[in-house]
Amino acid sequence: GIQVEQSPPDLILQEGANSTLRCNFSDSVNNLQWFHQNPWGQLINLFYIPSGTKQNGRLSATTVATERYSLLYISSSQTTDSGVYFCAVTNSGYSTLTFGKGTMLLVSP
Amino acid sequence: SQTIHQWPATLVQPVGSPLSLECTVEGTSNPNLYWYRQAAGRGLQLLFYSVGIGQISSEVPQNLSASRPQDRQFILSSKKLLLSDSGFYLCAWSLAGLRDTQYFGPGTRLTVL
Repeated sequence: GIQVEQSPPDLILQEGANSTLRCNFSDSVNNLQWFHQNPWGQLINLFYIPSGTKQNGRLSATTVATERYSLLYISSSQTTDSGVYFCAVTNSGYSTLTFGKGTMLLVSP
Repeated sequence: SQTIHQWPATLVQPVGSPLSLECTVEGTSNPNLYWYRQAAGRGLQLLFYSVGIGQISSEVPQNLSASRPQDRQFILSSKKLLLSDSGFYLCAWSLAGLRDTQYFGPGTRLTVL
């Protein structure tokens, strides 16, 4: 099956800093989503981005499908950004998401 | 708008006891439904998915089972829980189709003692 690797596994930032999270995948995809899991466990959709670039406030994401990676940018980080960020993909022909192991982000005041 | 509910929110069960977790979706028809488990250590594992009433696909063989008795209801069950069944269980839905966004419920935290 498709492999999804996220980096870095852990990240500690000071409030106000910027960060870039990376997701590499081993095969072509027809669905790529970024999620944020908050401290209560809720998985919150950030982006549906199988290709191209999207922005939502302080967050933006870029997927380069031909090179099999996606980047999530967090600017001016806040303590509420803390949690685990997951990248998940669907391989061509399948409808089930394969998740990476996540990046755990801690933003300190 | 669509909403997804899961209950119970937390559950503590002894080894060997049965299990029933419920997930319901409102505001959409004929959704794809999914059960995931997240063990300690972050990774999410797909357990079951369903594209329609009575249609269940299993991704991981184990002592869990799933059923879809109604269009927007998805149930995860076990006849006898194991210690290894402990974890955080998440239900998700998507519109029918291969490329659609999945939306997750609030989850059930299960501890088997």
